[in-house]
Amino acid sequence: NAGVTQTPKFQVLKTGQSMTLQCAQDMNHEYMSWYRQDPGMGLRLIHYSVGAGITDQGEVPNGYNVSRSTTEDFPLRLLSAAPSQTSVYFCASSYLLAGELTDTQYFGPGTRLTVL
Amino acid sequence: LAKTTQPISMDSYEGQEVNITCSHNNIATNDYITWYQQFPSQGPRFIIQGYKTKVTNEVASLFIPADRKSSTLSLPRVSLSDTAVYYCLVGVGNMLTFGGGTRLMVKP
Repeated sequence: NAGVTQTPKFQVLKTGQSMTLQCAQDMNHEYMSWYRQDPGMGLRLIHYSVGAGITDQGEVPNGYNVSRSTTEDFPLRLLSAAPSQTSVYFCASSYLLAGELTDTQYFGPGTRLTVL
Repeated sequence: LAKTTQPISMDSYEGQEVNITCSHNNIATNDYITWYQQFPSQGPRFIIQGYKTKVTNEVASLFIPADRKSSTLSLPRVSLSDTAVYYCLVGVGNMLTFGGGTRLMVKP
C-alpha cells in the first residue's frame, strides 16, 4: 500500500508555462483534494473531488484545473504559471461517510513548486 | 464553515503535558473537530477527532466541553519529536479548511 503519491517532488517553472502535478492513491478513497501551503502559512484548499467525474472548487481555485477520470488519480494542472503560485502543493484523500468528509485525510509528501 | 482560532505558537519542555486550545464559536451541530500534526517538509498527519466530551488514543486526548465552542488537544509528556505545527479543523461536508495552526516548540 503506497498510500498517496505525488510527482514530481520538486519543479521549477518559468512564468507562463503550464504543467500538471500528479497525485495517485491506492486506498480506493472516494474523496481527493489539492491544497497549497505558502511558507509559514496553513493549507488552503484548491480543488476537491468526491468521486470519478466529480470535481468542485475550494478556497483558491483560480489558475488551476483538475479532473478525476479514475478513482485513483487526481491531477492538478497549472494553466499559465505565475510567481504567486510558488508554493508547496499537497494532495490528500479520504473515505466518505454518508457522502460527506468526516474521516481522516491522508496526505501525500508534497510537490515543491517554484515559478520564476 | 466554522472559523477556528488557535495560539500562533507555544513553547514547552520535554516531559511536560501540553494543552493547545482551539476556539470555534460558530460550530454547527453536525461538525466534527479534527486535529492534525505537520512536521517540516511533510504533509499533515491526522492525530485525533471528536464530536463531544473526551476522546483518547495512543497519541493524544481531545477534550470538548458541552457547548462545543472550543476544544483542547492534550499531548502527554511531550518529547523533542513532538515539535511541529498543530492544526484544529472544524466542519463536515467536503471543504475542510486549515487555519494557521499552532507552532509547538519542545525544548530539552
